[in-house]
Amino acid sequence: AQSVTQLDSHVSVSEGTPVLLRCNYSSSYSPSLFWYVQHPNKGLQLLLKYTSAATLVKGINGFEAEFKKSETSFHLTKPSAHMSDAAEYFCVVTSPATGKLIFGQGTTLQVKP
Amino acid sequence: KAGVTQTPRYLIKTRGQQVTLSCSPISGHRSVSWYQQTPGQGLQFLFEYFSETQRNKGNFPGRFSGRQFSNSRSEMNVSTLELGDSALYLCASSLGVGVAGTQETQYFGPGTRLLVL
Repeated sequence: AQSVTQLDSHVSVSEGTPVLLRCNYSSSYSPSLFWYVQHPNKGLQLLLKYTSAATLVKGINGFEAEFKKSETSFHLTKPSAHMSDAAEYFCVVTSPATGKLIFGQGTTLQVKP
Repeated sequence: KAGVTQTPRYLIKTRGQQVTLSCSPISGHRSVSWYQQTPGQGLQFLFEYFSETQRNKGNFPGRFSGRQFSNSRSEMNVSTLELGDSALYLCASSLGVGVAGTQETQYFGPGTRLLVL
């Protein structure tokens, strides 16, 4: 069975400082992992995905995530936060053969000026 | 290419009524999945359709049902609405299962916000 745990429900950073959103996963298969972002009153937008190619995945808007199998982690980072990054972020795992996405509980990112 | 569209965007119903939500996938996508988002339970998988067949189903009561048409558009129906059905319902489309069984990326619509009074 697959599951995902986002270690922080809320992260607050100052504009221009690095962002780290933590995610651990559990999967009996070689997982596909995703990060999605949801801005207020909007749908979910794909930031990046890992599908067993390169372990360092680059996404949109300067975000990247590193897949670490030994630590079962897929943390999301960005070198410098912008005000527009304030949103809810979801770490997601899926099994290879089904259409079911399993979401973490979400991390709310607050960016202070 | 147009994204996933969902109609209506907002809906208010009363307990006991039924509701139908619609989702039009990205052109060429054959898989449509539905999710429910609530503050308490987060994002939960409802079901997935591929080529007009339900392929996977989440842990929701039988009041929740769906279908997919030959043009890949999908509808979701909730009968006998309860207060707890108030949620944001998100639809996602993808190409389906790709080569070697890998799951193609799902792209989400803006959602339908349902309020049950």
